Amino acid sequence: GAGVSQSPSNKVTEKGKDVELRCDPISGHTALYWYRQSLGQGLEFLIYFQGNSAPDKSGLPSDRFSAERTGGSVSTLTIQRTQQEDSAVYLCASSFPRHEKLFFGSGTQLSVL
Amino acid sequence: DAKTTQPPSMDCAEGRAANLPCNHSTISGNEYVYWYRQIHSQGPQYIIHGLKNNETNEMASLIITEDRKSSTLILPHATLRDTAVYYCIVRVSISGSARQLTFGSGTQLTVLP
Repeated sequence: GAGVSQSPSNKVTEKGKDVELRCDPISGHTALYWYRQSLGQGLEFLIYFQGNSAPDKSGLPSDRFSAERTGGSVSTLTIQRTQQEDSAVYLCASSFPRHEKLFFGSGTQLSVL
Repeated sequence: DAKTTQPPSMDCAEGRAANLPCNHSTISGNEYVYWYRQIHSQGPQYIIHGLKNNETNEMASLIITEDRKSSTLILPHATLRDTAVYYCIVRVSISGSARQLTFGSGTQLTVLP
């Protein structure tokens, strides 16, 4: 596609359920980032993938959060046993390797009831 | 990465230049200054970046002081669509570095009709 695609755009779930968020980066972009943004707050880094290198997971807030990137393209962010404080917009971005210009998707609005 | 300081909000009249300041007094010699913006309900959008020379592109100009301790993003003729949160980020740019961009609180720019 022409841009970074994220799905679903909105997700409402019940506390304790697991959710999967998907990111489809721009073709050819080997760097992929996940951020989250709580209401009225700045962006919080979660995880970074670059090619076949081990991902930088330093931003994941707890072991309930995990992410994978299959085939160096599509990425899935999984949140297990969701909590109300997980409610936020989850943003994915991609870029060319060692390039500083990130392209962001429109995000997934996650609401945990 | 060096810390940045930005005013929380600014107003600008439509058609006038918007000058957004950023302080980064602890910046080191190999750190770049990046600007992104986030329009409501969208993912952040790259605007411009620079090291020590002033930069200009189709969106904006970036003026970096000689001591590199501060910079100004200039939108030469602001329009209503430029209303957004503007983020100033300082980051080391090293080839192959798995470093993420860290977004602060930014400046909410409101362009007034």
